[in-house]
Amino acid sequence: AQTVTQSQPEMSVQEAETVTLSCTYDTSESDYYLFWYKQPPSRQMILVIRQEAYKQQNATENRFSVNFQKAAKSFSLKISDSQLGDAAMYFCAYRRVSYDKVIFGPGTSLSVIP
Amino acid sequence: GAGVSQTPSNKVTEKGKYVELRCDPISGHTALYWYRQSLGQGPEFLIYFQGTGAADDSGLPNDRFFAVRPEGSVSTLKIQRTERGDSAVYLCASSLTGPLDTQYFGPGTRLTVL
Repeated sequence: AQTVTQSQPEMSVQEAETVTLSCTYDTSESDYYLFWYKQPPSRQMILVIRQEAYKQQNATENRFSVNFQKAAKSFSLKISDSQLGDAAMYFCAYRRVSYDKVIFGPGTSLSVIP
Repeated sequence: GAGVSQTPSNKVTEKGKYVELRCDPISGHTALYWYRQSLGQGPEFLIYFQGTGAADDSGLPNDRFFAVRPEGSVSTLKIQRTERGDSAVYLCASSLTGPLDTQYFGPGTRLTVL
């Protein structure tokens, strides 16, 4: 069975600094998708970034980038130039290519200090 | 509509009562998903609809939970004989066609069973 682990329940970062959130996963599949979702207090889950496992190049979306290490089954999220609006729960998630069920990790609560 | 909407935003009920939670997906999205998010945890998959039919209901915890999507758009999650352990945020998501598409989430319904 696939599992997603986030070992950091809480993280904090100074405004304008960089922070990295960790995620590891377990799967026997060779092709799959990985995601980072942001959930602010409004509860609306927002897709931050998506990575296809067959792509070696790390995905980037503006200030957000990932470090995808397929052999190590690691998928960390780097947030550069942190802003107050980045404060939220961040969930790492996994999905098999041919299947719709998304498996979420337990989340990391990120605080941004002014 | 512009995004996935869910009603009600909050629902308080008494143990043993019946509740219905509604999800309006993004217009034109054929795939619809329900997840349950308990306090301090990531969302857990409940059921996935492709059109009007439930393609995967393996996440429904027991036969007190049931979901329908009679016309392939709006979906209703129904919970009979509610228990205190059913208290959670129930999230709905939709995607354009299915496995290859990004899931877009609604703001959820917070269910509290007293």
